Amino acid sequence: DAKTTQPPSMDCAEGRAANLPCNHSTISGNEYVYWYRQIHSQGPQYIIHGLKNNETNEMASLIITEDRKSSTLILPHATLRDTAVYYCIALNTGTASKLTFGTGTRLQVTL
Amino acid sequence: DAGVTQSPTHLIKTRGQQVTLRCSPISGHKSVSWYQQVLGQGPQFIFQYYEKEERGRGNFPDRFSARQFPNYSSELNVNALLLGDSALYLCASSRLPAGTVVYEQYFGPGTRLTVT
Repeated sequence: DAKTTQPPSMDCAEGRAANLPCNHSTISGNEYVYWYRQIHSQGPQYIIHGLKNNETNEMASLIITEDRKSSTLILPHATLRDTAVYYCIALNTGTASKLTFGTGTRLQVTL
Repeated sequence: DAGVTQSPTHLIKTRGQQVTLRCSPISGHKSVSWYQQVLGQGPQFIFQYYEKEERGRGNFPDRFSARQFPNYSSELNVNALLLGDSALYLCASSRLPAGTVVYEQYFGPGTRLTVT
């Protein structure tokens, strides 16, 4: 699976959009981009995934650049409950047997 | 529906002892994976089981073993505990195993193991 790079921490004001970047410059054509988050003292939670096209669900939007070398997870209206560590994972779902987590981005949402 | 459940929630063991952690997947999920999360790091993959067969193994010593039962629940065993085994042990379930297009894993709250 391709290596991903994320900033270690970010801050966001409550009610504003949180934009979390992820670099995956060595991603291959059959690797998906997955996002999980881990709220303190809980297990990771699946957020969203995508291959080429932008994706949106009830939790977030995922924007993948045309060359697929980077992506951005967008939480449109961040709340205090979105404070968590966010993990970006590049995954070949056809062959992978595991999720490979890095150290992620610690998002702090403040009043 | 209940989510992934794990027991116990906390555990304290002494070096050299053995420990068994338990996991019950979401109803209808046949795949269970185990992860170890050391403080300050992301979870690290230990095992995946599907339909009682091991489908993947991470870079962990043979002191770590696991099994899956006919009801799809799973146990993780760690022998000869070391201080470095202190961690949060996470179990995740999914409907399908790895190798399928949609691979959403649902994690339990974890078991916090402290080795003294």
